[in-house]
Amino acid sequence: EAAVTQSPRNKVAVTGGKVTLSCNQTNNHNNMYWYRQDTGHGLRLIHYSYGAGSTEKGDIPDGYKASRPSQENFSLILELATPSQTSVYFCASGARTGGQDTQYFGPGTRLLVL
Amino acid sequence: GEKVEQHESTLSVREGDSAVINCTYTDTASSYFPWYKQEAGKSLHFVIDIRSNVDRKQSQRLTVLLDKKAKRFSLHITATQPEDSAIYFCAASRAGSSGNKLIFGIGTLLSVKP
Repeated sequence: EAAVTQSPRNKVAVTGGKVTLSCNQTNNHNNMYWYRQDTGHGLRLIHYSYGAGSTEKGDIPDGYKASRPSQENFSLILELATPSQTSVYFCASGARTGGQDTQYFGPGTRLLVL
Repeated sequence: GEKVEQHESTLSVREGDSAVINCTYTDTASSYFPWYKQEAGKSLHFVIDIRSNVDRKQSQRLTVLLDKKAKRFSLHITATQPEDSAIYFCAASRAGSSGNKLIFGIGTLLSVKP
């Protein structure tokens, strides 16, 4: 049983449209993360959260918002999608072990913005 | 900003040989160094990590070495098997009070040929 799930798995959006990517985790982890993966860049952190109600900016937050309404759910919101946001998006949850955070990834969402 | 560089973008080995993937980091305060594996078309999963209080860690066929003076760490895979073929990502972070932000390398595509 997958502990981190994402929906949708694939999404085609139009430029200027609103896109919401959802993530759910059953690990009971405090920390959750949103990354995007692009060839030549590896994974880059967009937003993260330390718990319900908190969101923090990552390394590339421009054009994205995040929402953490509960321990289990963390959403990534593109208010005005642009073609440059075409990417694969991964959500992860983090287990604090000894002060460092082993992260467990969801299956990814492939987003195409036309 | 802080960076993690992976020096091999691709690596090809024969089944049974050893493979070594090298990474360097820029943040001298980095203290946690995980490795993740991504098989074709799939998500990332955690394989092994090392913390800055040790310079070597082994788990079955995987060994991670850490040279803090050179700000370098490496993943060694012995007796490689075709199922080891994947993209391997190194990452680094500082310890934080509520989890950590991982900085990823761009990935190394390891191909294990029969």
